[in-house]
Amino acid sequence: ETGVTQTPRHLVMGMTNKKSLKCEQHLGHNAMYWYKQSAKKPLELMFVYNFKEQTENNSVPSRFSPECPNSSHLFLHLHTLQPEDSALYLCASSQDQDTGTGFSGANVLTFGAGSRLTVL
Amino acid sequence: GQNIDQPTEMTATEGAIVQINCTYQTSGFNGLFWYQQHAGEAPTFLSYNVLDGLEEKGRFSSFLSRSKGYSYLLLKELQMKDSASYLCAAVDSNYQLIWGAGTKLIIKP
Repeated sequence: ETGVTQTPRHLVMGMTNKKSLKCEQHLGHNAMYWYKQSAKKPLELMFVYNFKEQTENNSVPSRFSPECPNSSHLFLHLHTLQPEDSALYLCASSQDQDTGTGFSGANVLTFGAGSRLTVL
Repeated sequence: GQNIDQPTEMTATEGAIVQINCTYQTSGFNGLFWYQQHAGEAPTFLSYNVLDGLEEKGRFSSFLSRSKGYSYLLLKELQMKDSASYLCAAVDSNYQLIWGAGTKLIIKP
């Protein structure tokens, strides 16, 4: 496997279900991201992990719970979602440098193909 | 607030040239990215500009004017495989990416 792989590619769930999205990167990168992509809207950054520590949580509802067990794996746990959460969830990774005041985000992101989530 | 504007959709003819514009308003600026995303696929990196001017990579070129808060992606000798969405993203003073909604490019024979 190369690059960033996401599973499952498609997921349909009811509002009371619990499911998880998985992301794995084979690039040796030190940062991983979850983005939400909705039709005709900008990418929304949800969570960032640098060196396995969560450094960003952009006011994401608690029904989304990230987990980063190591620098190569990232999960997004889903619980009691709403229909408006239906979207494409993209995972990305990058090799970030510590600028001393934080991590530089001006680095190329390598994305996975995404998990298409439908909440009924 | 911070904002990126780019056209929602554009149509062009195979073999022609198309320019996709992107204007940005950010608190500080640390460069601008262009990504290409084919339907159902991952966005892939095309270019990064931080200095004014034009950078060329084969059929694709990217231009930046920092004073005008403006960038464009120029695609020459269009091919059917260039049909995709093109995402513009500016890097602000906190090194956060500010994304546009993307431009869907349709290539017709």
